[in-house]
Amino acid sequence: AQSVTQLGSHVSVSEGALVLLRCNYSSSVPPYLFWYVQYPNQGLQLLLKYTSAATLVKGINGFEAEFKKSETSFHLTKPSAHMSDAAEYFCAVTLSGNTGKLIFGQGTTLQVKP
Amino acid sequence: EAEVAQSPRYKITEKSQAVAFWCDPISGHATLYWYRQILGQGPELLVQFQDESVVDDSQLPKDRFSAERLKGVDSTLKIQPAELGDSAMYLCASSTLSGGSPFGQFFGPGTRLTVL
Repeated sequence: AQSVTQLGSHVSVSEGALVLLRCNYSSSVPPYLFWYVQYPNQGLQLLLKYTSAATLVKGINGFEAEFKKSETSFHLTKPSAHMSDAAEYFCAVTLSGNTGKLIFGQGTTLQVKP
Repeated sequence: EAEVAQSPRYKITEKSQAVAFWCDPISGHATLYWYRQILGQGPELLVQFQDESVVDDSQLPKDRFSAERLKGVDSTLKIQPAELGDSAMYLCASSTLSGGSPFGQFFGPGTRLTVL
C-alpha cells in the first residue's frame, strides 16, 4: 500500500533562509508525487508535481523538489524563505495518474520568522 | 483562471441535524473528489466520481453520509444526522483525463463544518 511520511510537523526558518520540508513515500510501483500548500481556512493549492519526467521539478513561488528513487524521497526546497511562505504544506502520492485518489502526509507547518 | 467552487464556506450546526455541501468542479473535469480534513491532519478521500458514477466510496460512512453527482457536473455531499466527530474541513477537488490539460487535482476553498 502506498503511504507518505512528512518528517517534522513544524519547521521554523528565518526570512531569507533555506526552506527544506521532508517527504518520504512508500510505493511498490513508480508513483506520482505532489506538494500542496494550504493557507488558513483555505483549500489546497498545487505547488508542483512529479510525473516520471525530470527528477528535479520546479513549481510556483520559487519552490522545487527532487525525486530520489533510491531514497524514496521527494523533499521540497526553496532557497530563500519569504514571510508569505508561512503556511501548511502537504506531500501526496498517487499511483493512478490523474484520476487516482491522493494519499496525503500529515502536513508540515512552516513558520517564517522576521 | 478556472476554479472549483464550493458552498457554503462555513457551516455551524447542532448534532443530529442534516447538512449539505455543494461543489462545482472546473468545467470539463470528469473526475470529482470529496475529501475530509480533520484539524491537524492531511485530507482523506471520502468519495470519488467519474462523471456521474461512484468509483471509490470505501471510506464514506454510508450510514450517515451520501454523495451524488446526478448530471456528472456539480455534486452534493450530505450528512444526516451530523455528529460531533464530523467537525472538519470538507474539500472538493476535480481533475481531467485530457492529455492537454494541467495534470493534478485542483481543490476548492472548502467548507468548514462545526457540529455543536
